[in-house]
Amino acid sequence: QAQLVESGGAVVQPGGSLRLSCEASGFTFISYAMNWVRQAPGKGLEWLAIISFDGINTYYADSVKGRFTISRDNSKNTLFLQMNSLRPEDTAVYYCAKEGQHLGITSRPGRYGMDVWGQGTTVTVSS
Amino acid sequence: DIHMTQSPSSLSASVGDRVTITCRTSQTINNYLNWYQHRPGTAPKLLIYAASNLQSGVPSRFSGSGSGTAFTLTISSLQPEDFATYYCQQSYSNPRTFGRGTKLEIK
Repeated sequence: QAQLVESGGAVVQPGGSLRLSCEASGFTFISYAMNWVRQAPGKGLEWLAIISFDGINTYYADSVKGRFTISRDNSKNTLFLQMNSLRPEDTAVYYCAKEGQHLGITSRPGRYGMDVWGQGTTVTVSS
Repeated sequence: DIHMTQSPSSLSASVGDRVTITCRTSQTINNYLNWYQHRPGTAPKLLIYAASNLQSGVPSRFSGSGSGTAFTLTISSLQPEDFATYYCQQSYSNPRTFGRGTKLEIK
């Protein structure tokens, strides 16, 4: 069955950088757009970024635009989130999630939601 | 950006109750509205996509309706495992925003 496993979470100082990974298995990774979503302590889910199935198109939430970069390596079935200039408010559990739409175009509406999620990896930004 | 208004923010109910959660969007999104369930310490789970379509494997006591700017999630008969936080999310445009969540608690 489809599975996503995040890794790379750590404790990092404000202003620091971190790269999260999300390894996919059980589905044709190259055929689906992928997302990052986070949940800060005591807060709700926050959508962060999406990348098209071919890695060409990316979109970001305003809260992370210019600081975070989503990317993917389809040869390794792996999604990444490069996080720079980290702030205490970036402290959260970070989830990767698969788009449900096969070969969906990320600039167009997505009909099928995010149908597979990882268990999350924890990032703590603190001095 | 599309703003999501979800209500109530919390809800107390008993096993067997019927509950409804509402989500409104700041602009029309046709039916590009999804509902997720999130229990602490677990991965969020897709329940409903495109406003009214039940995700595979989700019990039929969950249902969704609405179009345009107003949507609802209904649980027809609450089960113990349904006590969780529920989120709506629009997938009409980027950024793909979530509502602030509804925490469903046992009365």
